[in-house]
Amino acid sequence: DVVMTQSPLSLPVTLGQPASISCRSSQSLVYSDGNTYLNWFQQRPGQSPRRLIYKVSNRDSGVPDRFSGSGSGTDFTLKISRVEAEDVGVYYCMQGTHWPPRWTFGQGTKVEIK
Amino acid sequence: QVQLVESGGGVVQPGGSLRLSCAASGFTFSSYGMHWVRQAPGKGLEWVAFIRYDGSNKYYADSVKGRFTISRDNSKNTLYLQMNSLRAEDTAVYYCAKDLWGQGTLVTVSS
Repeated sequence: DVVMTQSPLSLPVTLGQPASISCRSSQSLVYSDGNTYLNWFQQRPGQSPRRLIYKVSNRDSGVPDRFSGSGSGTDFTLKISRVEAEDVGVYYCMQGTHWPPRWTFGQGTKVEIK
Repeated sequence: QVQLVESGGGVVQPGGSLRLSCAASGFTFSSYGMHWVRQAPGKGLEWVAFIRYDGSNKYYADSVKGRFTISRDNSKNTLYLQMNSLRAEDTAVYYCAKDLWGQGTLVTVSS
């Protein structure tokens, strides 16, 4: 089974400063169709998860452009260019490449304001 | 707008059963595979089950295989999760999801 490993697990950040979360998979996430099904989710306190990024680097509708995703193969990164108060929450990476179709999540990274 | 609304959660004794529902609206439900994902209190996300758009194939996490059954009724735009032989470790918020997630429904297994 694919294992997704995030770091750090806790990320205190100063408002207006950048933040970066790493996600590594135990196997390549490149699918046979050439796509890489690596997504990022945000879960604000008391809310359900919301997808921010799909297929490594594509922002979902309504997601601020301060969020960006990058990476390839087994190494991926979510960056927030300037953290705002509303960005507090837990961020998860998730792979949807490997069959049978089962999503595998990272452990989550808790972003909080210093 | 696109929406997923779960229902059916509650408190159940160990060994009991519960059926969750997820009502979909705002998109062509019958064209999409659907997932159930759960989150134990204070924990991370755990994938539970997936069903293809037409119900032809179903897949389960090892932790629920043989106890949970995912199904769908495309005429009613509704996804289901039948949960039998429930255990304390099944206590969680259960979400239905595709790219969008519902608000979740809480299942508590306790005597």
